[in-house]
Amino acid sequence: AQSVTQLGSHVSVSEGALVLLRCNYSSSVPPYLFWYVQYPNQGLQLLLKYTSAATLVKGINDFEAEFKKSETSFHLTKPSAHMSDAAEYFCAVSSNQAGTALIFGKGTTLSVSS
Amino acid sequence: DADVTQTPRNRITKTGKRIMLECSQTKGHDRMYWYRQDPGLGLQLIYYSFDVKDINKGEISDGYSVSRQAQAKFSLSLESAIPNQTALYFCATSDPGQGTTGELFFGEGSRLTVL
Repeated sequence: AQSVTQLGSHVSVSEGALVLLRCNYSSSVPPYLFWYVQYPNQGLQLLLKYTSAATLVKGINDFEAEFKKSETSFHLTKPSAHMSDAAEYFCAVSSNQAGTALIFGKGTTLSVSS
Repeated sequence: DADVTQTPRNRITKTGKRIMLECSQTKGHDRMYWYRQDPGLGLQLIYYSFDVKDINKGEISDGYSVSRQAQAKFSLSLESAIPNQTALYFCATSDPGQGTTGELFFGEGSRLTVL
């Protein structure tokens, strides 16, 4: 079975500060890992994904994440937060096994203050 | 027009009523999914379908059923709604050509309230 744990249901940062959202995964097979973002009253959209190529993955809006197998982590970072980054962020896991669907974490709400 | 359309967007119903949430897509994807979102619980997979003849249970299928009427349509039913099924429901699709690494494309959600 696969699962993800997002550490911290709420993260608050100041505009211009580093954003760090934590995600740890559990998987008995090599995982594929994703970060999605949900803006208020909208569906989810893909930020970035790791699919066994480069371990440092760059996504939209200057977000990036690093796959660390030894730590079973896939933390999301952004060097400088913008007010528009305020949203809910979800980490998710799947695998290359046939029939696998995406399993999501519980989400982290990011607040950005001026 | 949205690529993944959910109807209704909002519904209030009473305990014991039958409810159907519908999803249609114009992306031409074979794979479709129903997720439920609750505050603090993230998204939980209810059912998924990799083609018209393939239906699979997800993490929380009890109390729900689905029908894949065509490649483009995937409906979720609550045969006898109960208050703890009050939630935001999302339909999503993905491209089988990308396998399980493919991006999910979400509808805008259907907010269901069961009184």
